[in-house]
Amino acid sequence: DAGITQSPRHKVTETGTPVTLRCHQTENHRYMYWYRQDPGHGLRLIHYSYGVKDTDKGEVSDGYSVSRSKTEDFLLTLESATSSQTSVYFCAIRGERNTEAFFGQGTRLTVV
Amino acid sequence: SQQGEEDPQALSIQEGENATMNCSYKTSINNLQWYRQNSGRGLVHLILIRSNEREKHSGRLRVTLDTSKKSSSLLITASRAADTASYFCATDAGNTPLVFGKGTRLSVIA
Repeated sequence: DAGITQSPRHKVTETGTPVTLRCHQTENHRYMYWYRQDPGHGLRLIHYSYGVKDTDKGEVSDGYSVSRSKTEDFLLTLESATSSQTSVYFCAIRGERNTEAFFGQGTRLTVV
Repeated sequence: SQQGEEDPQALSIQEGENATMNCSYKTSINNLQWYRQNSGRGLVHLILIRSNEREKHSGRLRVTLDTSKKSSSLLITASRAADTASYFCATDAGNTPLVFGKGTRLSVIA
């Protein structure tokens, strides 16, 4: 299995609080992605990174920010959590374009 | 908007039967990938087919790609109960991230 770890695995937080999810990889892969998965929507891209300090927005980036200060870590921050951000969040990594992606186990976030 | 769309949304078959899932997409691609997701787990890559390939096999999996119709199909032969999962296609245009469809939920009944 690819070395990719998400933390925490589960979190319950209150509306309006900031939340940070962490994705850590040991593969030295260049590309890292954050997706959210919701019933009826499949996986939707939030943000992605193509190198240290190089990030770009995805399809559903509003309300989210990311940072990548090291190759191995990609952080996803919800600045002020809302109930609509209750979801399962997946991190994925890829070494090069046109290759397969490896996924973490997911973080189940509940905003109450 | 999402690139790939799987069909059907859900499929229920008996063990030993073949399962076929389809994926349609909208724009040009470099490759198309299929992933599997067991309940409560992350996605696992199954197979990648490049735009210049028409068919690819991996064990009990057979994937076809028709770029003129912008469609792909995943065939799982001799299904087992352990194949019960959701299956997603993902399109790869090369300079953009993978874009996933909504998935097909497969149930294989023993």
